[in-house]
Amino acid sequence: DSGVTQTPKHLITATGQRVTLRCSPRSGDLSVYWYQQSLDQGLQFLIQYYNGEERAKGNILERFSAQQFPDLHSELNLSSLELGDSALYFCASSVGASGGSYEQYFGPGTRLTVT
Amino acid sequence: GNSVTQMEGPVTLSEEAFLTINCTYTATGYPSLFWYVQYPGEGLQLLLKATKADDKGSNKGFEATYRKETTSFHLEKGSVQVSDSAVYFCALSSSGSARQLTFGSGTQLTVLP
Repeated sequence: DSGVTQTPKHLITATGQRVTLRCSPRSGDLSVYWYQQSLDQGLQFLIQYYNGEERAKGNILERFSAQQFPDLHSELNLSSLELGDSALYFCASSVGASGGSYEQYFGPGTRLTVT
Repeated sequence: GNSVTQMEGPVTLSEEAFLTINCTYTATGYPSLFWYVQYPGEGLQLLLKATKADDKGSNKGFEATYRKETTSFHLEKGSVQVSDSAVYFCALSSSGSARQLTFGSGTQLTVLP
Protein backbone atom coordinates (compact mmCIF):
# COMPACT_ATOMS: atom_id res chain seq x y z
CA ASP A 1 0.00 0.00 0.00
CA SER A 2 1.58 3.27 -1.18
CA GLY A 3 -0.53 5.50 1.05
CA VAL A 4 -2.04 7.29 -1.96
CA THR A 5 -5.78 6.78 -2.30
CA GLN A 6 -7.93 7.28 -5.36
CA THR A 7 -11.70 7.17 -5.79
CA PRO A 8 -13.64 5.80 -7.48
CA LYS A 9 -11.89 2.61 -8.56
CA HIS A 10 -14.08 2.23 -11.63
CA LEU A 11 -16.22 4.71 -13.52
CA ILE A 12 -18.46 4.03 -16.50
CA THR A 13 -20.09 6.96 -18.22
CA ALA A 14 -21.40 8.09 -21.58
CA THR A 15 -19.88 10.33 -24.21
CA GLY A 16 -20.41 14.02 -23.57
CA GLN A 17 -20.58 13.61 -19.81
CA ARG A 18 -18.36 15.07 -17.09
CA VAL A 19 -16.64 13.16 -14.29
CA THR A 20 -14.45 13.99 -11.30
CA LEU A 21 -11.63 11.77 -10.09
CA ARG A 22 -10.31 12.23 -6.58
CA CYS A 23 -6.88 11.66 -5.09
CA SER A 24 -5.52 11.91 -1.56
CA PRO A 25 -1.72 12.02 -1.35
CA ARG A 26 0.46 10.30 1.23
CA SER A 27 0.60 12.03 4.57
CA GLY A 28 3.19 14.80 4.39
CA ASP A 29 3.43 14.90 0.59
CA LEU A 30 2.82 18.32 -0.92
CA SER A 31 3.07 17.45 -4.60
CA VAL A 32 0.41 15.63 -6.61
CA TYR A 33 0.78 14.38 -10.18
CA TRP A 34 -1.84 13.00 -12.57
CA TYR A 35 -1.02 10.46 -15.27
CA GLN A 36 -3.09 8.75 -17.94
CA GLN A 37 -2.39 5.16 -19.00
CA SER A 38 -3.90 3.98 -22.27
CA LEU A 39 -3.07 1.17 -24.67
CA ASP A 40 -2.14 3.47 -27.54
CA GLN A 41 -0.41 6.30 -25.67
CA GLY A 42 1.17 4.44 -22.77
CA LEU A 43 1.74 6.33 -19.53
CA GLN A 44 1.56 10.09 -20.02
CA PHE A 45 1.99 12.93 -17.54
CA LEU A 46 -1.01 15.25 -17.39
CA ILE A 47 -0.48 17.85 -14.68
CA GLN A 48 1.29 18.54 -11.39
CA TYR A 49 0.27 20.56 -8.35
CA TYR A 50 2.46 21.59 -5.47
CA ASN A 51 0.90 22.87 -2.27
CA GLY A 52 -2.18 24.12 -4.08
CA GLU A 53 -0.44 25.72 -7.05
CA GLU A 54 -0.14 24.36 -10.56
CA ARG A 55 3.52 23.49 -11.16
CA ALA A 56 3.73 21.76 -14.53
CA LYS A 57 1.49 20.76 -17.41
CA GLY A 58 1.98 17.87 -19.77
CA ASN A 59 -0.26 16.42 -22.45
CA ILE A 60 -3.49 17.53 -20.82
CA LEU A 61 -6.45 18.30 -23.04
CA GLU A 62 -8.32 21.58 -22.67
CA ARG A 63 -11.42 19.57 -21.70
CA PHE A 64 -9.52 18.36 -18.63
CA SER A 65 -8.73 20.41 -15.54
CA ALA A 66 -7.45 19.78 -12.07
CA GLN A 67 -7.04 21.47 -8.73
CA GLN A 68 -5.45 20.85 -5.38
CA PHE A 69 -7.30 21.87 -2.25
CA PRO A 70 -6.00 23.29 1.05
CA ASP A 71 -6.10 19.82 2.61
CA LEU A 72 -3.83 18.75 -0.33
CA HIS A 73 -6.26 16.33 -1.93
CA SER A 74 -6.63 16.78 -5.65
CA GLU A 75 -9.39 16.38 -8.19
CA LEU A 76 -9.12 15.78 -11.92
CA ASN A 77 -12.17 16.93 -13.89
CA LEU A 78 -12.82 15.44 -17.31
CA SER A 79 -15.58 16.99 -19.41
CA SER A 80 -17.22 16.46 -22.80
CA LEU A 81 -15.96 12.92 -22.61
CA GLU A 82 -15.05 11.02 -25.76
CA LEU A 83 -14.53 7.31 -26.34
CA GLY A 84 -10.79 7.94 -26.58
CA ASP A 85 -10.71 9.22 -23.00
CA SER A 86 -11.23 5.66 -21.75
CA ALA A 87 -8.08 4.88 -19.79
CA LEU A 88 -6.58 4.26 -16.39
CA TYR A 89 -5.92 7.52 -14.53
CA PHE A 90 -3.23 7.47 -11.86
CA CYS A 91 -2.45 9.94 -9.17
CA ALA A 92 1.01 10.05 -7.61
CA SER A 93 2.46 12.09 -4.78
CA SER A 94 5.90 13.12 -3.61
CA VAL A 95 7.34 15.13 -0.78
CA GLY A 96 8.51 18.12 -2.82
CA ALA A 97 8.31 19.58 -6.28
CA SER A 98 11.89 20.04 -7.42
CA GLY A 99 15.42 19.21 -6.45
CA GLY A 100 16.70 15.87 -5.19
CA SER A 101 15.24 12.59 -6.35
CA TYR A 102 11.75 12.98 -4.84
CA GLU A 103 10.41 9.64 -5.92
CA GLN A 104 6.72 9.45 -6.67
CA TYR A 105 4.30 7.02 -5.06
CA PHE A 106 1.31 5.94 -7.09
CA GLY A 107 -2.28 5.28 -6.17
CA PRO A 108 -4.23 2.24 -7.43
CA GLY A 109 -5.79 4.22 -10.27
CA THR A 110 -9.29 4.97 -11.53
CA ARG A 111 -10.40 3.02 -14.57
CA LEU A 112 -12.62 5.22 -16.74
CA THR A 113 -14.76 3.65 -19.42
CA VAL A 114 -16.62 5.96 -21.79
CA THR A 115 -19.44 4.28 -23.75
CA GLY B 1 12.57 16.75 -24.92
CA ASN B 2 12.97 13.80 -22.59
CA SER B 3 12.34 10.28 -23.80
CA VAL B 4 12.79 6.70 -22.61
CA THR B 5 13.18 3.70 -24.90
CA GLN B 6 12.54 0.30 -23.47
CA MET B 7 13.08 -3.20 -24.75
CA GLU B 8 10.05 -4.50 -26.59
CA GLY B 9 8.14 -7.28 -24.94
CA PRO B 10 6.67 -9.57 -24.08
CA VAL B 11 9.48 -11.47 -22.38
CA THR B 12 8.90 -15.06 -21.27
CA LEU B 13 11.42 -16.82 -19.03
CA SER B 14 11.60 -19.99 -17.03
CA GLU B 15 11.89 -19.76 -13.25
CA GLU B 16 15.49 -19.15 -12.07
CA ALA B 17 16.53 -17.70 -15.45
CA PHE B 18 18.54 -14.47 -15.73
CA LEU B 19 16.60 -11.34 -16.61
CA THR B 20 17.72 -8.25 -18.49
CA ILE B 21 15.36 -5.52 -19.63
CA ASN B 22 17.09 -2.80 -21.62
CA CYS B 23 16.36 0.88 -21.10
CA THR B 24 17.99 3.90 -22.70
CA TYR B 25 17.10 7.54 -22.26
CA THR B 26 17.43 10.98 -23.77
CA ALA B 27 17.39 13.93 -21.40
CA THR B 28 19.00 17.26 -20.77
CA GLY B 29 20.90 17.82 -17.58
CA TYR B 30 21.17 15.12 -14.95
CA PRO B 31 17.95 13.15 -14.66
CA SER B 32 17.03 10.70 -11.93
CA LEU B 33 16.20 7.22 -13.20
CA PHE B 34 13.62 4.77 -11.93
CA TRP B 35 12.16 1.33 -12.49
CA TYR B 36 8.51 0.84 -11.62
CA VAL B 37 6.60 -2.44 -11.62
CA GLN B 38 2.89 -2.92 -12.28
CA TYR B 39 1.21 -6.16 -11.21
CA PRO B 40 -2.08 -7.10 -12.86
CA GLY B 41 -4.91 -4.83 -11.78
CA GLU B 42 -2.69 -2.70 -9.57
CA GLY B 43 -0.97 0.67 -9.61
CA LEU B 44 2.73 1.29 -10.16
CA GLN B 45 5.19 0.42 -7.43
CA LEU B 46 8.63 1.95 -7.24
CA LEU B 47 11.13 -0.88 -7.64
CA LEU B 48 14.44 0.98 -7.55
CA LYS B 49 16.05 4.29 -8.37
CA ALA B 50 19.38 5.99 -9.12
CA THR B 51 19.99 9.71 -8.92
CA LYS B 52 23.47 10.18 -10.40
CA ALA B 53 25.93 8.59 -12.78
CA ASP B 54 27.36 5.21 -11.69
CA ASP B 55 24.77 4.86 -8.91
CA LYS B 56 23.39 1.35 -8.60
CA GLY B 57 19.80 0.96 -7.49
CA SER B 58 18.76 -2.38 -6.01
CA ASN B 59 15.72 -3.95 -4.43
CA LYS B 60 14.26 -7.48 -4.10
CA GLY B 61 17.14 -8.96 -6.11
CA PHE B 62 16.72 -6.50 -8.98
CA GLU B 63 19.55 -4.13 -9.91
CA ALA B 64 20.15 -1.31 -12.37
CA THR B 65 23.18 0.94 -12.86
CA TYR B 66 22.96 4.54 -14.09
CA ARG B 67 25.35 4.69 -17.07
CA LYS B 68 25.71 8.25 -18.29
CA GLU B 69 28.21 7.37 -21.03
CA THR B 70 25.72 5.01 -22.68
CA THR B 71 22.57 6.80 -21.39
CA SER B 72 21.27 3.48 -20.11
CA PHE B 73 19.62 2.01 -17.01
CA HIS B 74 19.16 -1.69 -17.73
CA LEU B 75 17.23 -3.80 -15.22
CA GLU B 76 18.72 -7.16 -14.20
CA LYS B 77 17.88 -10.01 -11.87
CA GLY B 78 19.96 -13.13 -11.46
CA SER B 79 17.14 -15.61 -10.83
CA VAL B 80 13.52 -14.72 -11.59
CA GLN B 81 10.51 -16.20 -9.82
CA VAL B 82 6.95 -16.74 -10.98
CA SER B 83 5.92 -13.91 -8.65
CA ASP B 84 8.06 -11.48 -10.71
CA SER B 85 5.56 -11.72 -13.58
CA ALA B 86 4.42 -8.14 -14.17
CA VAL B 87 4.93 -5.13 -16.43
CA TYR B 88 8.14 -3.20 -15.84
CA PHE B 89 8.47 0.51 -16.67
CA CYS B 90 11.67 2.50 -16.95
CA ALA B 91 11.23 6.20 -16.18
CA LEU B 92 13.16 9.40 -15.71
CA SER B 93 12.53 12.66 -13.97
CA SER B 94 14.39 15.68 -15.20
CA SER B 95 16.62 17.89 -13.13
CA GLY B 96 14.56 20.99 -13.85
CA SER B 97 12.03 22.69 -11.63
CA ALA B 98 9.28 20.15 -12.33
CA ARG B 99 9.75 16.50 -11.53
CA GLN B 100 7.19 14.75 -13.66
CA LEU B 101 8.07 11.28 -14.86
CA THR B 102 8.64 10.32 -18.48
CA PHE B 103 7.97 6.61 -18.95
CA GLY B 104 9.05 3.98 -21.40
CA SER B 105 6.43 1.84 -23.08
CA GLY B 106 6.68 -0.97 -20.53
CA THR B 107 7.89 -4.56 -20.83
CA GLN B 108 5.59 -7.45 -19.99
CA LEU B 109 7.47 -10.23 -18.18
CA THR B 110 6.01 -13.69 -17.73
CA VAL B 111 7.90 -16.26 -15.68
CA LEU B 112 6.89 -19.89 -16.13
CA PRO B 113 7.34 -22.51 -13.41
